[in-house]
Amino acid sequence: AQSVTQPDIHITVSEGASLELRCNYSYGATPYLFWYVQSPGQGLQLLLKYFSGDTLVQGIKGFEAEFKRSQSSFNLRKPSVHWSDAAEYFCAVGLNSGYSTLTFGKGTMLLVSP
Amino acid sequence: GAVVSQHPSWVICKSGTSVKIECRSLDFQATTMFWYRQFPKQSLMLMATSNEGSKATYEQGVEKDKFLINHASLTLSTLTVTSAHPEDSSFYICSARPGRGNTEAFFGQGTRLTVV
Repeated sequence: AQSVTQPDIHITVSEGASLELRCNYSYGATPYLFWYVQSPGQGLQLLLKYFSGDTLVQGIKGFEAEFKRSQSSFNLRKPSVHWSDAAEYFCAVGLNSGYSTLTFGKGTMLLVSP
Repeated sequence: GAVVSQHPSWVICKSGTSVKIECRSLDFQATTMFWYRQFPKQSLMLMATSNEGSKATYEQGVEKDKFLINHASLTLSTLTVTSAHPEDSSFYICSARPGRGNTEAFFGQGTRLTVV
């Protein structure tokens, strides 16, 4: 069965510093990979996705992620964090047709310090 | 992006009663809706998938008689937790997808259910 691991429950980053959130997956076939962000009281918003092709994908709000098959990873990065980026971030893997049947990680809470 | 709204955002109910959670797609028609449950510090777990006009498909281990899902229109799906128990307390999130196939699913803001 597929699984997604986000090893960091909380991460604190200073405003303006770079960010990397880790995500590892376990899935036998070619994965469809996603990063979502959830602000308090809000729904999950899709940041970016990887289906195929270029392994470095660009998303909204200045985020990017790199798919590394050899490491089964899909880490999320941002070069300079803003206070408004404070939220919970979820990595997910989709089976078969991509958006269907998503398996989520437990999430990483990002705190941004001044 | 498209908007999906859940109501209520939070609800407290007594043990043994039933509670209904609504999921509405506000600016698109949702052929498919998904219901997830998230326990504290856990992943979102898919409970069921519903297509408009047909019975929901439940994931293994989810009691269909306890979690009643109705997707009677293209803009509304409801999840009813029947005979709620304290262990049903959780965060319930829906998502809705326009059309079929590989289209993005948009998430509601979630409903916090507390059973006392």
